[in-house]
Parts: sequence; C-alpha cells; structure tokens
Amino acid sequence: ETGVTQTPRHLVMGMTNKKSLKCEQHLGHNAMYWYKQSAKKPLELMFVYSLEERVENNSVPSRFSPECPNSSHLFLHLHTLQPEDSALYLCASSQDGPAGSTDTQYFGPGTRLTVL
Amino acid sequence: GQNIDQPTEMTATEGAIVQINCTYQTSGFNGLFWYQQHAGEAPTFLSYNVLDGLEEKGRFSSFLSRSKGYSYLLLKELQMKDSASYLCAVLDSNYQLIWGAGTKLIIKP
Repeated sequence: ETGVTQTPRHLVMGMTNKKSLKCEQHLGHNAMYWYKQSAKKPLELMFVYSLEERVENNSVPSRFSPECPNSSHLFLHLHTLQPEDSALYLCASSQDGPAGSTDTQYFGPGTRLTVL
Repeated sequence: GQNIDQPTEMTATEGAIVQINCTYQTSGFNGLFWYQQHAGEAPTFLSYNVLDGLEEKGRFSSFLSRSKGYSYLLLKELQMKDSASYLCAVLDSNYQLIWGAGTKLIIKP
C-alpha cells in the first residue's frame, strides 16, 4: 500500500463505548497529525507527533487520547464521547515538522465517526 | 485572531473557467497551500505559494499577493471530476497551518 491509510472508514459508537482509530503512513515521514473536520468548518488540528513525540496538543478534551508507537503508526483512542464529537477524523503526515517546516501534509481518507 | 475567508460554494459550467478566492489575516506568513477534497475522500495537495505571482500546473493555477493577503485558485477547462471542495490554508509565523472552511465547487454540464 502507498500513502496514508486509515481504518476504519466508518464508525458508529455509543457514548459509553471505547474505540480506536488507526492511521498508517507508508511515505517514510517523521511527523503525523490528527485533524477533526466538521461540516462547513475549517480543519481543526488536534495532535501533532514528530519522531514519535507529541509536540502539540490543541486543548483537546481528554476523551481523545493519541498514541504514536512508531513513526509509521498513529492511533486515536476514544472513550465516553459526546454526540458533538461526530465528524470526519483525518490523519496526515509530513516529511518533517511542524516547527520550521513548510513540508506538504499528505492526508488519509478519514474515519467518519458518528456518536449516538 | 487569525482568519481565512473563502466562499462557501460556487457553481460553474463544464468547459468554463472558475476562480476561487482566499483572503487571509494571520500572524506572519510562511506560505499558502491549496488542497482539493472530493466528498468522502482525503484532501490532496494542489499547490504551495510563498512568493507573489502566478504559478501554473496544467489546468490549475494559483496566485498569491502577500501585500493584499490574497490568493486565488484558477481552474480552466472545467471537467465534471473537478466537482470537489477546495481548501485554502496559510502557514503562520509559528509554521502552524491555519485552514479556511473550504469552497464547494459544483460543476454543471
């Protein structure tokens, strides 16, 4: 496989469930990102990892917990979510960054999450 | 605060030309990106401008004026497959990407 892949593509969960989103990049990049995309709103950066270390956390609620076990894999663990968390969750990677980097970010197809 | 403005939706005819504008107010500037996103798919990179002027890539061109805080994406010889959302994003002084809400482009036969 090439590029950035995400699984699952669709997820429906109740507010008391625990689930995880997975992202894998096959580009040899060093930085990975989680974004939230809601209808008609700008992309919201949630987390950034560079060389497997978290470098940015944009005041995201603790019910979202990221994990980056290596530079190719990124997870987003979900627990006790709210209906307003329903959105498209996008993963991206870039060669380096984010500090001092103009590198292009490459996106996965996203996970469409619905919280009931 | 930082802000990116682009029209919510535009409609154009197959074979025609369309210009999608993006204006920005950010703390610093380290470049502007355009991405294309088809419904249910990943955003894909179209262009990156950091210097003033027009850059052409086939049917797509991107223009930047830093003094005016303005960019546009020009799509020529529109095809039905160009129906998508087009996202404008600016890299600020901290190298953080500031995103617009996207412009949904509808192409009619």
